[in-house]
Amino acid sequence: KAGVTQTPRYLIKTRGQQVTLSCSPISGHRSVSWYQQTPGQGLQFLFEYFSETQRNKGNFPGRFSGRQFSNSRSEMNVSTLELGDSALYLCASSPTGYYNQPQHFGDGTRLSIL
Amino acid sequence: AQSVTQLDSQVPVFEEAPVELRCNYSSSVSVYLFWYVQYPNQGLQLLLKYLSGSTLVKGINGFEAEFNKSQTSFHLRKPSVHISDTAEYFCAVTSSGGSYIPPFGRGTSLIVHP
Repeated sequence: KAGVTQTPRYLIKTRGQQVTLSCSPISGHRSVSWYQQTPGQGLQFLFEYFSETQRNKGNFPGRFSGRQFSNSRSEMNVSTLELGDSALYLCASSPTGYYNQPQHFGDGTRLSIL
Repeated sequence: AQSVTQLDSQVPVFEEAPVELRCNYSSSVSVYLFWYVQYPNQGLQLLLKYLSGSTLVKGINGFEAEFNKSQTSFHLRKPSVHISDTAEYFCAVTSSGGSYIPPFGRGTSLIVHP
């Protein structure tokens, strides 16, 4: 069974630009979550999608948005990039996102802002 | 809402020595507990989980953890570490009455010296 796939693996952007990151969950998984990981803040939850609906949201500004498609693939968009957005962005999937289900993570997209 | 605290940000240890990574949680309801490992340039990978039943849980790579309800702890142990165990370790807790998305601890960096 293929794991969670995130593309691209690395990305370099400049301030003010926007970026779209992609995540393909494990086949059959309908819950997709996004996290931002930085050395100073650790793992910060961005949002979770289930059946094309945003079900949970973390404490991030509106510049961070996402969506989920009918095949459960998800995209995350960040507009008006800031230097502080440099981070590893991780996507995780689970069958339904229920409390007793572990999450399966992709290897992340490392975003660098110049 | 539940929360999780990893008491040590960094744990240095020599190869073949035992190690314990500490995790405490706060929750007033039944919990589900997870340990994940993150190797450099990779996403998180599930090490083990406690959902119910035996309080001693065995995971991959020789790790085990013990759920202690009275002390609200879920410490991770390995009797003899290897250089390849050098990684970041995250504890996570969920509960059916709490937040939907598992709040992760800040992580513990395990550094194994030869």
